[in-house]
Amino acid sequence: KAGVTQTPRYLIKTRGQQVTLSCSPISGHRSVSWYQQTPGQGLQFLFEYFSETQRNKGNFPGRFSGRQFSNSRSEMNVSTLELGDSALYLCASSSGTEGVGEQYFGPGTRLTVT
Amino acid sequence: ILNVEQSPQSLHVQEGDSTNFTCSFPSSNFYALHWYRWETAKSPEALFVMTLNGDEKKKGRISATLNTKEGYSYLYIKGSQPEDSATYLCAYISGNTGKLIFGQGTTLQVKP
Repeated sequence: KAGVTQTPRYLIKTRGQQVTLSCSPISGHRSVSWYQQTPGQGLQFLFEYFSETQRNKGNFPGRFSGRQFSNSRSEMNVSTLELGDSALYLCASSSGTEGVGEQYFGPGTRLTVT
Repeated sequence: ILNVEQSPQSLHVQEGDSTNFTCSFPSSNFYALHWYRWETAKSPEALFVMTLNGDEKKKGRISATLNTKEGYSYLYIKGSQPEDSATYLCAYISGNTGKLIFGQGTTLQVKP
């Protein structure tokens, strides 16, 4: 079974720009969650999508948004980038049938904002 | 704000030593606790998902226990090996929110 894939793996953007990250879950998984990892804050939950609906949301500003498509692939968008958005963004999939289950993580997208 | 705390922050042991870490979480509205291992340059990998008070789970030399009434979980590694070197993360899910709240992790370094 193919694992979770994320594209792109690395990204450099300038303050004020926007960025879209993509995540393809394990086949059959309907839940996709997004996390931000920074050295000071650790892994922080951004949001979770299940069957194209946002089921849970973390404490991030509205500049962070996401969506999920009918094939369970998910995208995350960050608008008006700030320096503090530089981080590793991980997505994870799970079957999702009993809430947030065991997470299968992708390799991450390393975003650098200059 | 729900706090999940892990201790110690880091640990250096010799090959063959047994070790354990602690994860503390709010005891109210418990839904589940996850343990993950995160090796450098890799993705976090699930070790255990625990839901019941008194749960004990084992995978090879690694085991975990859960006490939901007092809000803690222990992760044990028996006979540590260099390949066990990683950051071990616990994550708590509240029945209220359904969100995974991660601790800061315990970084284990096993010296040969």
